[in-house]
Parts: sequence; structure tokens; C-alpha cells
Amino acid sequence: DTAVSQTPKYLVTQMGNDKSIKCEQNLGHDTMYWYKQDSKKFLKIMFSYNNKELIINETVPNRFSPKSPDKAHLNLHINSLELGDSAVYFCASSPWAGRASLGANVLTFGAGSRLTVL
Amino acid sequence: GENVEQHPSTLSVQEGDSAVIKCTYSDSASNYFPWYKQELGKRPQLIIDIRSNVGEKKDQRIAVTLNKTAKHFSLHITETQPEDSAVYFCAATSGGYQKVTFGTGTKLQVIP
Repeated sequence: DTAVSQTPKYLVTQMGNDKSIKCEQNLGHDTMYWYKQDSKKFLKIMFSYNNKELIINETVPNRFSPKSPDKAHLNLHINSLELGDSAVYFCASSPWAGRASLGANVLTFGAGSRLTVL
Repeated sequence: GENVEQHPSTLSVQEGDSAVIKCTYSDSASNYFPWYKQELGKRPQLIIDIRSNVGEKKDQRIAVTLNKTAKHFSLHITETQPEDSAVYFCAATSGGYQKVTFGTGTKLQVIP
């Protein structure tokens, strides 16, 4: 009963291909996120959804398109993959965005999806 | 937007010694400061956090201090053990949607 699960764990693909990563959380959280961790271990937020609504959209190429069919799921689709897209992509969730109560901002991360673009 | 700087980028200590990691943030409206630990090949996990109305918080061997005026916060690990070896990230949370901005990480190595 993994709290935040993402698939696939590993993804190796050629430049120019399109790929998707899926994420699901069973914590009942309202907010989900995609973070990118590059080879230098920097963790950068890409997107955040609160109850299916996009609330954070960082400066990310429009080749990246998130989709949240419901508040328990957040998927990431990447078109025309480039070498620089190689990274570990982490999905995360938190109880509620915008509520400053204790624990509301605590992020629970998935295990990560390592994307390698050749 | 928020900018979080973290130092040092790498830190080696002997087992039993203390380790200190320092962070600064730019947005004076930031009100929540978590610290995450990421072991090799694993996901980041929260180890301790502090809110802007508190100056210090301690949990066993780890403690965090916050200086709102200077916009500094620090992680202190005492009596380090080999299992403390990991990458540690500080973060600051700001804005209406409480966006979490991470520091650049500190790779801590505890030498037995």
C-alpha cells in the first residue's frame, strides 16, 4: 500500500519520442506535484495541481504537459524528448495547498522515475 | 519568486562529530521551512521542519534554527552516525499556494 506510486520506475528512450509517467496517491491529499531532479541533484518544481486544478506552472517547455484526471492522479506527458530531459522525475503530494496549518505543506514523494534520453 | 541558497554543497565529518548546514532565503513572506533527507537512490523524506513563529526546534539528534530577521535557517546534526550520510535539502515555502522551493542540497558523508 505505497502512499505515492509512480510508473514506470525506469524509462530509456530515443530523442524525439513521446513518453508518459503516471502518478497515484492514496493518502487523500488535495495537492500533487511534479519535481525534476537533474544530475546535480537539484530539485525543481515543475507543476502543481490542487484538486485537479493547475495552481503552479513553472517555466517549463510546453513539450511537458501535466494532466490530473482526479485529485488522486497526476500524469506527465513529454513530447519530442531531448537529451536535456534526462533526469529523475518525482511525483509528490501534500494535504492542502494554501492552508498554513501544521502538516499541510509536508510533501510525500514517490520513488521517482528515471528518464534517460539517448 | 523565492530563492534558497544552501551551503556547503559537500560536508565530511567523523562519526560522532556534529554537522551544520546553512540556508538563506529571499522572500520575507516565507513562513515554513522544511528539511528533507535523500539517501542514495531513494526519495526525499521530511526529517524536521520549522514555522516562522518559532526560533528553534529539536528532535533527538537533529535541530533546526531560524533567524527571520537575517533570513537564515540551519540544520544541526549532533553525534553523527554513518546512516546520516545522505543529501540534505532545505526548503522555504511561500506564496498563496505555499510553493516549496528547495535549496541546492548538501551531500553529507559521515566517516566511520
